[in-house]
Amino acid sequence: DGGITQSPKYLFRKEGQNVTLSCEQNLNHDAMYWYRQDPGQGLRLIYYSQIVNDFQKGDIAEGYSVSREKKESFPLTVTSAQKNPTAFYLCASSLQGPGSNQPQHFGDGTRLSIL
Amino acid sequence: DAKTTQPPSMDCAEGRAANLPCNHSTISGNEYVYWYRQIHSQGPQYIIHGLKNNETNEMASLIITEDRKSSTLILPHATLRDTAVYYCIVRVDPKAAGNKLTFGGGTRVLVKP
Repeated sequence: DGGITQSPKYLFRKEGQNVTLSCEQNLNHDAMYWYRQDPGQGLRLIYYSQIVNDFQKGDIAEGYSVSREKKESFPLTVTSAQKNPTAFYLCASSLQGPGSNQPQHFGDGTRLSIL
Repeated sequence: DAKTTQPPSMDCAEGRAANLPCNHSTISGNEYVYWYRQIHSQGPQYIIHGLKNNETNEMASLIITEDRKSSTLILPHATLRDTAVYYCIVRVDPKAAGNKLTFGGGTRVLVKP
């Protein structure tokens, strides 16, 4: 089935360690996004990418990095510079195109915790 | 993006229609209304979206007022599996902006037997 796969579902990070969250989609979508959700709150945009080899910072990019080497993959690295990384991380994708108002579709998320 | 206002919570009876309101009085002409829902510990699920005409799909109907300052999501026959937080989001035409979705607090819907 087509969809967005995030892995792992749960991830634990030690202090000072970088970790990478995986996001893969087989929907042939052009755009991909990373959001962070804290308990009881809405989603905040970290990074997004509209085409391969290009990405832009969202509202809370500090302490995070991304790459977009393939259309179907958009991994997120949480670096040691991110001082409060414990959160629920959500990846999304959408179809682009002239005049597109296509909705974003989400994966099931990765829950990151600090040891 | 225009700000949206939703009631924080509402209950509805299983099998009845659930009508979820959303105010977006500052919406501009090229902004779409999107609805998502999120079941606990899962990713948000897209439900429906529209610009100015009413829309219907297999999940729900979206009614947008003529002045576009408010909308209502209708779940025609609510089931227990519809218990979730429902988000109304107004977004600029993606050609014109950075494509982000701004999620507010949403409405926590509890479907009761």
